[in-house]
Amino acid sequence: DIVMIQSPDSLAVSLGERATINCKSSQSVLYSSNNRDYLAWYQQKPGQPPKLLIYWASTRESGVPDRFSGSGSGTDFTLTISSLQAEDVAVYYCQQYYSTPYTFGQGTKLEIK
Amino acid sequence: QVQLQESGPGLVKPSETLSLTCTVSGGSISSYYWSWIRQPPGRGLEWIGYVFYSGSTNYNPSLKSRVTISVDTSKDQFSLKLSSVTAADTAFYYCARGGGWYAFDIWGQGTMVTVSS
Repeated sequence: DIVMIQSPDSLAVSLGERATINCKSSQSVLYSSNNRDYLAWYQQKPGQPPKLLIYWASTRESGVPDRFSGSGSGTDFTLTISSLQAEDVAVYYCQQYYSTPYTFGQGTKLEIK
Repeated sequence: QVQLQESGPGLVKPSETLSLTCTVSGGSISSYYWSWIRQPPGRGLEWIGYVFYSGSTNYNPSLKSRVTISVDTSKDQFSLKLSSVTAADTAFYYCARGGGWYAFDIWGQGTMVTVSS
């Protein structure tokens, strides 16, 4: 199984400031034949299902604010929120869909400082 | 827009079989992969398995011996059966569109299943 490790486990950022969450996979999730990274980011608010934010490591899902961006390739990935808003308080998960069993990171809890 | 809704018992006895159904509305179940994912309260996410609309399946090896996922295209539904449940299977169960090299882009609201006598 591909193990996904996120850092940090929790993060407190001031409103309007940048938030950065990292995700590392135990093996590459880059498929060389199409040069795509099979890595997604999700946001989960209390009492709600996860919501897809980013797929192919850097493609924003329709309707997701442009303050959310994804970067990285191979085994190291980053989710950046450029200017934190109050509604961004949530747990964020990375997930690989390169190979089964699909696996998620342990989650990063983002709070307001 | 496509919406997913889980249904099934919220309480299952130990050693029995957990059965859930996901109904797809606002679109067709055809041409997509459909997954089940679970989340114990306060914990992380675990992919259980997927079914393609054609009926082909792929399961998490950690659960493979106890899991069956099936699809009924005539009803736009897919289902999960998890046998021989224990307290460790207590979790929120989500159905989602995705798998088969695609991220999970649409999720149901989830249903809490408790395993207890």
